[in-house]
Amino acid sequence: AQSVTQLDSQVPVFEEAPVELRCNYSSSVSVYLFWYVQYPNQGLQLLLKYLSGSTLVKGINGFEAEFNKSQTSFHLRKPSVHISDTAEYFCAVSERGGGNKLTFGTGTQLKVEL
Amino acid sequence: GAVVSQHPSWVICKSGTSVKIECRSLDFQATTMFWYRQFPKQSLMLMATSNEGSKATYEQGVEKDKFLINHASLTLSTLTVTSAHPEDSSFYICSEKGQGNNYGYTFGSGTRLTVV
Repeated sequence: AQSVTQLDSQVPVFEEAPVELRCNYSSSVSVYLFWYVQYPNQGLQLLLKYLSGSTLVKGINGFEAEFNKSQTSFHLRKPSVHISDTAEYFCAVSERGGGNKLTFGTGTQLKVEL
Repeated sequence: GAVVSQHPSWVICKSGTSVKIECRSLDFQATTMFWYRQFPKQSLMLMATSNEGSKATYEQGVEKDKFLINHASLTLSTLTVTSAHPEDSSFYICSEKGQGNNYGYTFGSGTRLTVV
């Protein structure tokens, strides 16, 4: 079974500063990886996904993530954050060829301050 | 991209009553729909997986008689919370899985259920 670890429950950062949200996963088979953002009382919006190919994935709103197989990580980065980036971010994994269940991390609350 | 319409966005009901939540796939046929539950400031917990025309597969610990899932068509899946109690109050979210080049998961906007 797969699992996802998001070590940082909260990440405060000043506006226009860079940010990295960490995600590590565990799985016995190859995986697909996702980052989602959730604003209060809303569903999840896909930021980016890694299915195959280039390990550096670019997503919406200036976010990017790098798949590192040896470190089983998929950290999310943004070079310069904006107040509007304040939200909950979830890393998720699904196993290739399996039941395709999506397993979520516990989430990281990104709080952008002026 | 894929769009999933979920409604109602919020509902308040009395204890003992039942509530139905609908999720519609607006732009393609969703063979598989997932239902999640999210408690405040927590992650999403998968409740069940529904496939069109067959019985839903429930996760361990989820009461199938309490959370009835119907996926009668490729574009509509429903979750009915039966005999609701205050502890059922939560945020419920559906998600459909794309195929091929559209592989990924699209989420509905969620339903805030409050049982009083």
